[in-house]
Amino acid sequence: RKEVEQDPGPFNVPEGATVAFNCTYSNSASQSFFWYRQDCRKEPKLLMSVYSSGNEDGRFTAQLNRASQYISLLIRDSKLSDSATYLCVVTSRESSYKLIFGSGTRLLVRP
Amino acid sequence: DTAVSQTPKYLVTQMGNDKSIKCEQNLGHDTMYWYKQDSKKFLKIMFSYNNKELIINETVPNRFSPKSPDKAHLNLHINSLELGDSAVYFCASSLPGAPTSFGEGSRLTVL
Repeated sequence: RKEVEQDPGPFNVPEGATVAFNCTYSNSASQSFFWYRQDCRKEPKLLMSVYSSGNEDGRFTAQLNRASQYISLLIRDSKLSDSATYLCVVTSRESSYKLIFGSGTRLLVRP
Repeated sequence: DTAVSQTPKYLVTQMGNDKSIKCEQNLGHDTMYWYKQDSKKFLKIMFSYNNKELIINETVPNRFSPKSPDKAHLNLHINSLELGDSAVYFCASSLPGAPTSFGEGSRLTVL
């Protein structure tokens, strides 16, 4: 079983739609959680950290469910510029320095 | 003013050759990393250095040798290149507990 699993998609949605991605992780001792965004042929960039109480940044909302070991990302009012691959990332039990990436969920926002 | 810069961005070479990728960060971070993203877009950590000391060494062939002359630089040398080494290699850096910043990637193609 992969340490971090995501639906690869693609999710193909119209502009203005709300879309949600889920991610599951296998290590119950994982400590930190993040969503990164990666555009085609570019480097990953931090979208937002994920806190136990849930957190929101504009149109983006992240949730963490430690009991069920999953993380979610909700994007409201999708923009064309949201088209990218969204990477779920956790840190390992052994080291907070070691980021473990999911394989990513691809989002396509159409006009 | 690129925060994490790596060179070269593109590298095409023959099997059996030796090549190096250089990385420098001007963020004042203590920890630097090398990640590999393969053709399936899966991003995986290879090495991590903290203040010039190796702290993470994943199961990577010993043909790969990282070198950190100082905490702002982490270079990656690859001996006897193989076809399977073709990938995008990302350098990254971070402070403890802080998000990781990635370089733009070095796309290696082994023919």
